[in-house]
Amino acid sequence: NAGVTQTPKFQVLKTGQSMTLQCAQDMNHEYMSWYRQDPGMGLRLIHYSVGAGITDQGEVPNGYNVSRSTTEDFPLRLLSAAPSQTSVYFCASSRRTGRNTGELFFGEGSRLTVL
Amino acid sequence: AQSVTQLGSHVSVSEGALVLLRCNYSSSVPPYLFWYVQYPNQGLQLLLKYTTGATLVKGINGFEAEFKKSETSFHLTKPSAHMSDAAEYFCAVSTGSARQLTFGSGTQLTVLP
Repeated sequence: NAGVTQTPKFQVLKTGQSMTLQCAQDMNHEYMSWYRQDPGMGLRLIHYSVGAGITDQGEVPNGYNVSRSTTEDFPLRLLSAAPSQTSVYFCASSRRTGRNTGELFFGEGSRLTVL
Repeated sequence: AQSVTQLGSHVSVSEGALVLLRCNYSSSVPPYLFWYVQYPNQGLQLLLKYTTGATLVKGINGFEAEFKKSETSFHLTKPSAHMSDAAEYFCAVSTGSARQLTFGSGTQLTVLP
């Protein structure tokens, strides 16, 4: 069972560079989301999607773009990287209906450093 | 708006002792509540959850939590700590039509031999 797969696991960028963090899930989950994890701050929601073609902003969306062209994929784009975006990024997915609604399945994370 | 407060960013217990990790939430609608565990350099995995029904919820690895609406709490307990329980624990609340989760800031559990 692959679950939620994130790539790359590690990335170093220079300020101003752009990049895309990839996320794919094979559980046919409607809901997908991106979080960033910073020490002492827990996980903060960046963007989320409730289905293909539908995305919305979370708590900390500035500097990030997302799209959802298929149910399986939910890439996160950094438009112009800044040192404040140094963080660990997690992609997660869940069902939207049924008794398991809201139960997130997480990828293993992508550690990004912006110099 | 919803929020989660975890009391104590670091908790240390001796092996075999009771584990108690505290979580309080605020939500304007009936919440779903979750505890997740994160081992070093890994993603988060679900320990247990409360949606509706029985307020005492049992999870994996011997953990349980009790939903107390009057106290807006969802504390996590385990009767006897094991070395393998050392990890970071996150409480989360889920509300809204999309059921997106809001996480607490986490509690790092250290188990002493």
